[in-house]
Amino acid sequence: AQSVTQLDSHVSVSEGTPVLLRCNYSSSYSPSLFWYVQHPNKGLQLLLKYTSAATLVKGINGFEAEFKKSETSFHLTKPSAHMSDAAEYFCVVISGTGFQKLVFGTGTRLL
Amino acid sequence: DGGITQSPKYLFRKEGQNVTLSCEQNLNHDAMYWYRQDPGQGLRLIYYSQIVNDFQKGDIAEGYSVSREKKESFPLTVTSAQKNPTAFYLCASEPSGGTGADTQYFGPGTRLTVL
Repeated sequence: AQSVTQLDSHVSVSEGTPVLLRCNYSSSYSPSLFWYVQHPNKGLQLLLKYTSAATLVKGINGFEAEFKKSETSFHLTKPSAHMSDAAEYFCVVISGTGFQKLVFGTGTRLL
Repeated sequence: DGGITQSPKYLFRKEGQNVTLSCEQNLNHDAMYWYRQDPGQGLRLIYYSQIVNDFQKGDIAEGYSVSREKKESFPLTVTSAQKNPTAFYLCASEPSGGTGADTQYFGPGTRLTVL
């Protein structure tokens, strides 16, 4: 079964400094991977998704993620943090055949 | 203005009561989902529906029930059989045939607290 591990439960950055949120995945085949963001007491919003096209994926709000098969990683980055980026971020992998459900990591809170 | 709405935003339940959470979408999406979110955990799938009048159990369906009588509506009932219902509940919809592989659009959530 597919799974994801978010390596940090909390990450603190100062405004204007780079952001790195780490995610490792486990998959028996080439996975589809997503990053979602959740602001306090809100629903989730898709930041970006990887579906076996370009390994560097650009998303909304200046975020991007790089798929590295050799490292089984899909880390989320942003060159310069903004106050509005404070939220919880979820790395997600698709699991299953036929109906493919989303499998969520435990989240990283960006402070 | 298209989107997914959930109501109420906050809900309080006494032990032994059933409560129903509403989820409505006007995006014309075929598939709809219910997730539960607990602190420090990712979302877990409760039920999903790929088409009207059909729904399937997710990973944690015990103590919950759903219906899908209309394309735009997918209400979730938390029954008294659910032993630990206090959580944040999120509804989502998906535009494609409900394979789960497309982008899911989330509602703002309902926070349920058992008194």
